[in-house]
Formats: sequence, C-alpha cells, structure tokens
Amino acid sequence: DAMVIQNPRYQVTQFGKPVTLSCSQTLNHNVMYWYQQKSSQAPKLLFHYYDKDFNNEADTPDNFQSRRPNTSFCFLDIRSPGLGDAAMYLCATSSLNLGTGVYNEQFFGPGTRLTVL
Amino acid sequence: AQRVTQPEKLLSVFKGAPVELKCNYSYSGSPELFWYVQYSRQRLQLLLRHISRESIKGFTADLNKGETSFHLKKPFAQEEDSAMYYCALNGGAAGNKLTFGGGTRVLVKP
Repeated sequence: DAMVIQNPRYQVTQFGKPVTLSCSQTLNHNVMYWYQQKSSQAPKLLFHYYDKDFNNEADTPDNFQSRRPNTSFCFLDIRSPGLGDAAMYLCATSSLNLGTGVYNEQFFGPGTRLTVL
Repeated sequence: AQRVTQPEKLLSVFKGAPVELKCNYSYSGSPELFWYVQYSRQRLQLLLRHISRESIKGFTADLNKGETSFHLKKPFAQEEDSAMYYCALNGGAAGNKLTFGGGTRVLVKP
C-alpha cells in the first residue's frame, strides 16, 4: 500500500551524464515536492508543483529541472550531474484541505540515493 | 528568511529516561511547526504538528513563540524511539513549503 513511490531506489550515473529520477503517488494529492538531502544534512526543498504550476526555489541550480505530466507522476531531471549532486533525493506530496484552508501533512517517498562517479 | 536549528546532533538516553529534543526557529510571522521522524530503513513521516496539539507515541511539543522554540519531549523513552528526528517549519508560503532543521539522532539504550 505504498503511497509515494520513488524509482529507482539507487541510481549511479557518471559525471555530466543526464539522469532522471521518478516519483509517483496514489494519494491524488495536488502538490508534489522534490527535496535534496546530502549526507548528515537537512532535506532542502528544490521545487514543488501545485497542480501544474511549477515553483522553483531561488537557490536551486539551473542544472535541476522537473516535469509533472499528470497528477500521479513527477520527474527530477539533472542535466549534467556533478560530484556535488550526489545525495538522497526525496519526493513528497501534500494536499490543500479546501474546507479548512490548511494543508495536510507531507507524505514522503523512500528516496532515491544518487551516486555520481 | 526562515531558519530551523536543532542544536543536538545526537542524543543518547537510557530506556525509561526522559528525552527532550530542542528546536529553535527564526521567522517573523506566525509559522506552523512540525516534527518528522525517520526510523531505520523507513521513510520520513510526520510525528506531530503544533496545530493538532496531540500527543503521538507519548511525545508532545509546545510552540513557545516568546522563545521561538518547539521542543519535543517524552517522559519515558523506549528503545523503539531510536530514530532521526527533524523539526520543520512552514512559514505560510503557498504550497506548504517546509524548512527543515539539521536533525537529531536519538539513541535509546536498554
């Protein structure tokens, strides 16, 4: 009954070789997030989608892009991975309770650990 | 800018002892505060949020706006509480964006 699924769980890529990480959800949440978590550090938000609206964080490098073709799927594209991009990448989802105006909790996927050789 | 600080990287306590994880934040408005937990080999999950005012698994946290703190407490730690704990803040921006603290690893010894 996995709710937020990330594939693959482990990804190895070469320096400069484009890589795509995948996230899917069965919760029908309208918001999807991508976080980067480097070793022994806090998760850091890269960007999020509110429905189809893309919202980039100001300090997210241009090397990172995202696509959300439909409600269920969201992709993280790293155009030219560098050694500093090795990290755990977390996908999360959330929804806005229209009745209360309060967002529900964020549900996280298990993460994809990216290694850059 | 919003910031969350967890001063302790590691807390080691014996089973049955009280445990308190410190969280301080900086934000000029009225934030929403959360505690997330990550057990070994499991995904990050919500433990509690301040607006719910709940006690989850024996843990409580009170938002102190004067001290800008949201410390997590449990009077009697159990071995199954061993995990990584993250304090997080939502500054009210559209999209429910979270700023996380650096995390505190709790180790409960038998």
